[in-house]
Amino acid sequence: NAGVTQTPKFRILKIGQSMTLQCTQDMNHNYMYWYRQDPGMGLKLIYYSVGAGITDKGEVPNGYNVSRSTTEDFPLRLELAAPSQTSVYFCASRHPRTSGPFQETQYFGPGTRLLVL
Amino acid sequence: SQKIEQNSEALNIQEGKTATLTCNYTNYSPAYLQWYRQDPGRGPVFLLLIRENEKEKRKERLKVTFDTTLKQSLFHITASQPADSATYLCALNNFNKFYFGSGTKLNVKP
Repeated sequence: NAGVTQTPKFRILKIGQSMTLQCTQDMNHNYMYWYRQDPGMGLKLIYYSVGAGITDKGEVPNGYNVSRSTTEDFPLRLELAAPSQTSVYFCASRHPRTSGPFQETQYFGPGTRLLVL
Repeated sequence: SQKIEQNSEALNIQEGKTATLTCNYTNYSPAYLQWYRQDPGRGPVFLLLIRENEKEKRKERLKVTFDTTLKQSLFHITASQPADSATYLCALNNFNKFYFGSGTKLNVKP
């Protein structure tokens, strides 16, 4: 299994441009998450999804949109990039609530570093 | 709103000693708490989960305690090694959402 993959690894955007951050998982997890991490800070939840067709806002959703058409993919859309969106973005999927040592574990992708100038 | 605090100052310890990291939270009653390790330029990696009805959980050299009265979790690494140097994050759940602390950087010196 590749786990959680994210593309691109790094991107520079101009103010006002738009882009989509891609996230794919091959573990058949229903739950998926998008976080942003600013330097020296913890992760802030942007959006999450509990299954295909179902998404909900996290702590910091403004300026972002998501969709979940399949179990595997959970893209994050930035419509009008702003310098405040300069950050590292992590996608994660969550192990289902079953018995065993890894229940409810979140698996993270390698991250996308975004710079908005 | 939920507030999660971890010591923002780096913890520097000598190899072989026990490292103890703290996670405090307010305005919140999570069903469980998780600890993650994050290396520079990488995504967090899950280490341990402890539920509200558990006082202590162990995994190899790792030990986590959870005091719901104090609203505090302690994370211990015994017989620490330089390879344990990383940033450690605690995370609390609220139904389907997760809230992370800012992390504590651990430096283990040989």
